[in-house]
Amino acid sequence: SSELTQDPAVSVALGQTVRITCQGDSLRSYYASWYQQKPGQAPVLVIYGKNNRPSGIPDRFSGSSSGNTASLTITGAQAEDEADYYCNSRDSSGNHLGYVFGTGTKVTVL
Amino acid sequence: EVQLVESGGGLVQPGGSLRLSCSASGFTFSSYAMHWVRQAPGKGLEYVSAISSNGGSTYYADSVKGRFTISRDNSKNTLYLQMSSLRAEDTAVYYCVKGLAATGYWGQGTLVTVSS
Repeated sequence: SSELTQDPAVSVALGQTVRITCQGDSLRSYYASWYQQKPGQAPVLVIYGKNNRPSGIPDRFSGSSSGNTASLTITGAQAEDEADYYCNSRDSSGNHLGYVFGTGTKVTVL
Repeated sequence: EVQLVESGGGLVQPGGSLRLSCSASGFTFSSYAMHWVRQAPGKGLEYVSAISSNGGSTYYADSVKGRFTISRDNSKNTLYLQMSSLRAEDTAVYYCVKGLAATGYWGQGTLVTVSS
């Protein structure tokens, strides 16, 4: 199955910009979606497709992709953005149903 | 409003079996593929299994292949995960998910603990 690799942790000053990356071969063929997870809560989708935000997600969240790397950018990070973030894409093994998650990135807002 | 409610978790001994259920409402269940995702305590998300809308196609992560079986009953709007030969490393919160890469609806999760 595919693998998606993320940096374990990043920090950002309040109001500044942070970019979280996700690397994997499947990203050459499929878009990544991005999930935010806070302690004790189920994950919340923040970006899907080329760069789409579900209803209710602030526009400071954006996504992009190049080659085998997908990125989630938080522009003007807020205290409430402190959370774990996971990328997700289809498994490139050939079964159209399967997906894979990235290893996760813990974002700390200073 | 989309609702996904998992049940069936609990404490089970290594080598034992357990069946999880996910009751769905608020959408046409029979039109959507469904997924199971798990999260071990203090760890990241792990994709477990998927099933097509009519149940004709399935997917399993290598870690559960041959031990877990996903199924669905579209007449009851319910998704299942039959887990057997359980190991300590299967201990996790198991989530039922609709629209994993698009709408992202998750249940609240059910905890499975494999321990003697």
